[in-house]
Amino acid sequence: NAGVTQTPKFRVLKTGQSMTLLCAQDMNHEYMYWYRQDPGMGLRLIHYSVGEGTTAKGEVPDGYNVSRLKKQNFLLGLESAAPSQTSVYFCASREGQGYGYTFGSGTRLTVV
Amino acid sequence: AQSVTQPDIHITVSEGASLELRCNYSYGATPYLFWYVQSPGQGLQLLLKYFSGDTLVQGIKGFEAEFKRSQSSFNLRKPSVHWSDAAEYFCAVGVLNDYKLSFGAGTTVTVRA
Repeated sequence: NAGVTQTPKFRVLKTGQSMTLLCAQDMNHEYMYWYRQDPGMGLRLIHYSVGEGTTAKGEVPDGYNVSRLKKQNFLLGLESAAPSQTSVYFCASREGQGYGYTFGSGTRLTVV
Repeated sequence: AQSVTQPDIHITVSEGASLELRCNYSYGATPYLFWYVQSPGQGLQLLLKYFSGDTLVQGIKGFEAEFKRSQSSFNLRKPSVHWSDAAEYFCAVGVLNDYKLSFGAGTTVTVRA
């Protein structure tokens, strides 16, 4: 039982490059989330999805796009990376309202 | 506005001593509450949760938390900490009809020998 798997675990990008972070869950959860974690800032919600084919903006959506074409996958894209996007990114999923999150182990992204 | 507050940014405790981490929330509806732990370089792991019923809930790793509606609090406790409890702890709150949880800013726990 893998839970929530994030790939890649580490990545270094140059300013202006693009990349996609993949989140996959094998628990048949409806809801999925992307957070970023920065020192002293806690967890900030970037985007989330309440079902296949749906997405919604969180607190800090600018510079990011997401897609949920399949229920088990939630992709986070950076079209033109900026140093301010250097962060640790966490994906999470949950079965529905009233349930807790299951988190992935994170992706550490550095933009130089 | 809905909010979750963890008043203590950093707590240092001696190994074997007791630990209490504070969490306060401000929500109009009845919340459901969680505590998560994050070890260095790791993701967040669920320690315990409260939905309804008994206001004292037990979790993993010897942790417990008590929901006090009158104080809008959900404090986490452990009677005797171990060096492996050094980590960052997050309180999270949700309400029905909201798709997402709100997280506190976290409390970092340092355990000294």
